[in-house]
Amino acid sequence: AQSVTQPDIHITVSEGASLELRCNYSYGATPYLFWYVQSPGQGLQLLLKYFSGDTLVQGIKGFEAEFKRSQSSFNLRKPSVHWSDAAEYFCAVANSGGSNYKLTFGKGTLLTVNP
Amino acid sequence: DTEVTQTPKHLVMGMTNKKSLKCEQHMGHRAMYWYKQKAKKPPELMFVYSYEKLSINESVPSRFSPECPNSSLLNLHLHALQPEDSALYLCASRSGLAGNNEQFFGPGTRLTVL
Repeated sequence: AQSVTQPDIHITVSEGASLELRCNYSYGATPYLFWYVQSPGQGLQLLLKYFSGDTLVQGIKGFEAEFKRSQSSFNLRKPSVHWSDAAEYFCAVANSGGSNYKLTFGKGTLLTVNP
Repeated sequence: DTEVTQTPKHLVMGMTNKKSLKCEQHMGHRAMYWYKQKAKKPPELMFVYSYEKLSINESVPSRFSPECPNSSLLNLHLHALQPEDSALYLCASRSGLAGNNEQFFGPGTRLTVL
């Protein structure tokens, strides 16, 4: 069974500082990996995704993530955080698809941005 | 159109009421999903419809009854809910084609059960 671990429950950074949110996954085959962001009371917005190819993927809002198979990681980064980035971030892994497709989420990391 | 819409945005109901949540997409997706999300928790999968047939039921209580009338529409019928069922209910869709594994989420319905 697939699983996702986000080791950091809550991270606080200052506006303008760099950010890295950690994500480790467990899946036997090639994973499909995602980062979603959720503002309070809102739905989930896809930041970026990795299916195959270049292991460094660019997303929206200046985010990027790097897939490292050897470390089973898919960490999210941003060079300079803005106050509007404060939100809950979920890493997720999907299996190979078909009618049994399943998306499994990590427990999330809450990002607080100090002015 | 790359949007999943959900109605209503907010719903307050008593434990004896019957209500329905609606989800719609016009992307031609053939897989649709219901998730339940409690505060400060990740979404939990409830049901999956693939090509309008129920393919996964994650042992959800029978007071939740899903329905997929056509490929664009997904309903969740609610009856005799409990206060602990109060949550954000998210709908999602996916193309269903091999190799296309991105889910598109709707904004959710915030349900409060009194």
